[in-house]
Amino acid sequence: GENVEQHPSTLSVQEGDSAVIKCTYSDSASNYFPWYKQELGKRPQLIIDIRSNVGEKKDQRIAVTLNKTAKHFSLHITETQPEDSAVYFCAACFSGGGADGLTFGKGTHLIIQP
Amino acid sequence: DGGITQSPKYLFRKEGQNVTLSCEQNLNHDAMYWYRQDPGQGLRLIYYSQIVNDFQKGDIAEGYSVSREKKESFPLTVTSAQKNPTAFYLCASMGRGNGYTFGSGTRLTVV
Repeated sequence: GENVEQHPSTLSVQEGDSAVIKCTYSDSASNYFPWYKQELGKRPQLIIDIRSNVGEKKDQRIAVTLNKTAKHFSLHITETQPEDSAVYFCAACFSGGGADGLTFGKGTHLIIQP
Repeated sequence: DGGITQSPKYLFRKEGQNVTLSCEQNLNHDAMYWYRQDPGQGLRLIYYSQIVNDFQKGDIAEGYSVSREKKESFPLTVTSAQKNPTAFYLCASMGRGNGYTFGSGTRLTVV
């Protein structure tokens, strides 16, 4: 089955700086890569996703890049703000955009220092 | 809760007892999922269903059971065979071409 590794487990950055979270996956057939943000005690929420036919996708301060050859993808957050503090999860799936279930990384706790 | 409702929010189970977690969605989504979340472990897939009356085991199905008699509902039963059930349980659904919508979760504790 698919295996997703996520690094780092904790990331502390100064407000206004950029944050980068990296994930690698094992199944070369994976074709859908979403990122979720989970605030303490709340449900995960989709913040951005990318499919394997695209190398980069951007939405305001958030971007995701995908390197299919190296089997890794990254989340980039620019101009970080206090409300960006949360746990972020990457995920991968090899079929149907997630229809057979997503495999998640173990999460990154992002801390924005004022 | 964005069209997907989990209940109860908190649940306490005694040793040897079966308990059922409810998940209902009004998004007309075909696919539904159950995940378990433990600290430092991320989310792990328990069961999923892509269509009514059909479901598949995920990575950690042992000690759990599900049913999918209606499109809107996908209840999860935590049986006495699950030796370490204390966790945060998340239900999700997915429509065509979109990511998951998660419920607000059920926190299960063994007492």
